[in-house]
Amino acid sequence: DVKVTQSSRYLVKRTGEKVFLECVQDMDHENMFWYRQDPGLGLRLIYFSYDVKMKEKGDIPEGYSVSREKKERFSLILESASTNQTSMYLCASSRLAATYNEQFFGPGTRLTVL
Amino acid sequence: GQNIDQPTEMTATEGAIVQINCTYQTSGFNGLFWYQQHAGEAPTFLSYNVLDGLEEKGRFSSFLSRSKGYSYLLLKELQMKDSASYLCAVSPSGGANNLFFGTGTRLTVIP
Repeated sequence: DVKVTQSSRYLVKRTGEKVFLECVQDMDHENMFWYRQDPGLGLRLIYFSYDVKMKEKGDIPEGYSVSREKKERFSLILESASTNQTSMYLCASSRLAATYNEQFFGPGTRLTVL
Repeated sequence: GQNIDQPTEMTATEGAIVQINCTYQTSGFNGLFWYQQHAGEAPTFLSYNVLDGLEEKGRFSSFLSRSKGYSYLLLKELQMKDSASYLCAVSPSGGANNLFFGTGTRLTVIP
């Protein structure tokens, strides 16, 4: 059974803290993605990676950074958390494919920044 | 730019049929996905269309017209457990394999 796991389901942090969200996939996928999901705005891409140590900015990278040191692990870092980063964060992975590129999602981390 | 539109909310009755529409304008087209997302859970894959026409999978079917930039998801014999958000997502190109998501349609099934 394919699986994407995220380190926490719920997280509460204070403004200014450095926050790490971890994602691990066991499908040997090349691509990994971080999204945030907010009511009325849908899924918005923060960063993605198509290979170890490679990263590309998505639509809303400001205030975030990422790290991919191993193929199976993709970390999202909030350098200095702010209240407007309170959201649901979803990690996903997919094969690197010319056509069919279904993304598999983790269960999500609901982050609250106080 | 990329633009994907779908209705925000729909309500339907248990046992009925509902059609959720999605229109898109993207810089390229490499396929369209439908995902189901129950409240507080991760999106799960429902269907994929890359050629024009209807794909049927049990109670769920998905249709694509590339010339019109249009897709729909058809749910038959609605059940209460079908209450969820349905996300339309377009893959503009291969390679890095990004998906662009619509804001989702929240479907409520009533008895």
